[in-house]
Amino acid sequence: NAGVTQTPKFRVLKTGQSMTLLCAQDMNHEYMYWYRQDPGMGLRLIHYSVGEGTTAKGEVPDGYNVSRLKKQNFLLGLESAAPSQTSVYFCASRESVGPAAYNEQFFGPGTRLTVL
Amino acid sequence: AQKVTQAQTEISVVEKEDVTLDCVYETRDTTYYLFWYKQPPSGELVFLIRRNSFDEQNEISGRYSWNFQKSTSSFNFTITASQVVDSAVYFCALRGPSGTYKYIFGTGTRLKVLA
Repeated sequence: NAGVTQTPKFRVLKTGQSMTLLCAQDMNHEYMYWYRQDPGMGLRLIHYSVGEGTTAKGEVPDGYNVSRLKKQNFLLGLESAAPSQTSVYFCASRESVGPAAYNEQFFGPGTRLTVL
Repeated sequence: AQKVTQAQTEISVVEKEDVTLDCVYETRDTTYYLFWYKQPPSGELVFLIRRNSFDEQNEISGRYSWNFQKSTSSFNFTITASQVVDSAVYFCALRGPSGTYKYIFGTGTRLKVLA
């Protein structure tokens, strides 16, 4: 049981390049989230998904797109990377059934992205 | 609107001292959930505790204890006899009732425990 995994762990991009971050979870969770973490700003929600085929915008969605084609995967795309997107990106998931409202999020190890 | 405030940006203590990390939240919901996470220097986020708004009992787990007070909208975290391994960034988070998807995180408190 690997939990939540993220690929890649590190990446350096040039301004204007595109890339996709992959998040995978093996806990059969319905809900998945993408956050970015910047110094002094805590975790900010980019996009989230409440089930396969569904996505929704979070607090800071501009410049990012997401897809949830399979329940276990949640992809975060940067179409044209900008230096302002230099950050650490975390994926998370949680259950939606049972005492669902009581459940914490499980986080991946993070992806450190630098845009030059 | 929901908000979580962790006013202490950074705290330094000497090993074996007790330290309290403050968390103040704002919400209009009558049912809500509070969480604490630890982020050690390795970077991963480690879940520590969850508490719902109907349960104001304080909790103790080893050297860790949490004080939830609805009257002051606070959910403070105390580490007793701190150790160097407690050095980390600690985040408080808030979520609304069942059917709410978003978690609101505070900006975190960096704790440095000096040997």
